[in-house]
Amino acid sequence: GDSVTQMEGPVTLSEEAFLTINCTYTATGYPSLFWYVQYPGEGLQLLLKATKADDKGSNKGFEATYRKETTSFHLEKGSVQVSDSAVYFCALTAGNQFYFGTGTSLTVIP
Amino acid sequence: NAGVTQTPKFQVLKTGQSMTLQCAQDMNHEYMSWYRQDPGMGLRLIHYSVGAGITDQGEVPNGYNVSRSTTEDFPLRLLSAAPSQTSVYFCASSPRDTHGYTFGSGTRLTVV
Repeated sequence: GDSVTQMEGPVTLSEEAFLTINCTYTATGYPSLFWYVQYPGEGLQLLLKATKADDKGSNKGFEATYRKETTSFHLEKGSVQVSDSAVYFCALTAGNQFYFGTGTSLTVIP
Repeated sequence: NAGVTQTPKFQVLKTGQSMTLQCAQDMNHEYMSWYRQDPGMGLRLIHYSVGAGITDQGEVPNGYNVSRSTTEDFPLRLLSAAPSQTSVYFCASSPRDTHGYTFGSGTRLTVV
């Protein structure tokens, strides 16, 4: 069935470091792909999305490219800030349902 | 524009009690879903709805009921609470699958 696998955490980085969080997917059709972010005590917020192969989603300095050939949607940011500390979820939608990864916790230290 | 509103934010129940978690959205979204979030397990789909009058089971539906009598509301009912249902519950809605879900702020439920 359809599923999403993302890298295990937690991830700890120093401020201004480069961030990559890996995400790969399995889908029978042509899914849309998403990254969500969850700050402590809050619900999930849509960070970025891509709806077809080679699309690049971007928001707040974060980017992810829909790679059909490698079934991947890795999240990247060139220079993280303390305020980026949160849990990041990769997700895909296929038909009527969303499938989420287990989340990757990111802590950015000054 | 309130988005997705969940009530209550916190709830403590005794084993065997029943209750309803409320979810309302004012964006005229067709799709609505309930998830539970547990440490190390990400989000798991409980039930979902693709429109008023239509509901279906997700990954972990046992012990929960839903109904969708209007586009706006999608309540989740716990029939007989169990400690295994201690979790954070999120309601989410979407106009259609490619738009991505808008999430509520969650209900933290503890069953003792």
